[in-house]
Amino acid sequence: GIQVEQSPPDLILQEGANSTLRCNFSDSVNNLQWFHQNPWGQLINLFYIPSGTKQNGRLSATTVATERYSLLYISSSQTTDSGVYFCASRGGGADGLTFGKGTHLIIQP
Amino acid sequence: KAGVTQTPRYLIKTRGQQVTLSCSPISGHRSVSWYQQTPGQGLQFLFEYFSETQRNKGNFPGRFSGRQFSNSRSEMNVSTLELGDSALYLCASEPGPNTGELFFGEGSRLTVL
Repeated sequence: GIQVEQSPPDLILQEGANSTLRCNFSDSVNNLQWFHQNPWGQLINLFYIPSGTKQNGRLSATTVATERYSLLYISSSQTTDSGVYFCASRGGGADGLTFGKGTHLIIQP
Repeated sequence: KAGVTQTPRYLIKTRGQQVTLSCSPISGHRSVSWYQQTPGQGLQFLFEYFSETQRNKGNFPGRFSGRQFSNSRSEMNVSTLELGDSALYLCASEPGPNTGELFFGEGSRLTVL
């Protein structure tokens, strides 16, 4: 099945800084999603982006399917952006989502 | 509209017991999948159901099972609980199999003592 790698595993930034999180996947995908896991464990949908670029406020994401990577950008970070960000993808078969190990982001005031 | 609803949110069991978790998908969604999250293994796919049929299953022992009802609600069961089954169990729904974006519930946090 598909393999998903996220980097960096940990990221500590000051409030107001910008950040880029990367997700590499091993094969063609028909689904790529970015999630933010809240402190209670729920996965909050950020982007569904199997290809192209999307923006939502201070967050944007780009997936280059031909090169098998996706990037999540967070601009002007706030302390509420802290948490774990997951990338997940699914290939063309009947498999479920394969998740990366996540990026643990800490935004310091 | 209401999101994915999972019950119970928290539960504590002892080794050897069995547990049943419930998931109600978003209205109109007919595909339900389950995931297990542990500190050591991360988020792993358990199984997916559509039209009351299991479409695929992850690499978990037979103690993990599930089913889907005609109203698309799903349950998963873990029998003969082991300490290692302590985890956050997440349910996701989408309109149909492989149709696109998955939406997750808040999860059921199981502790096995």
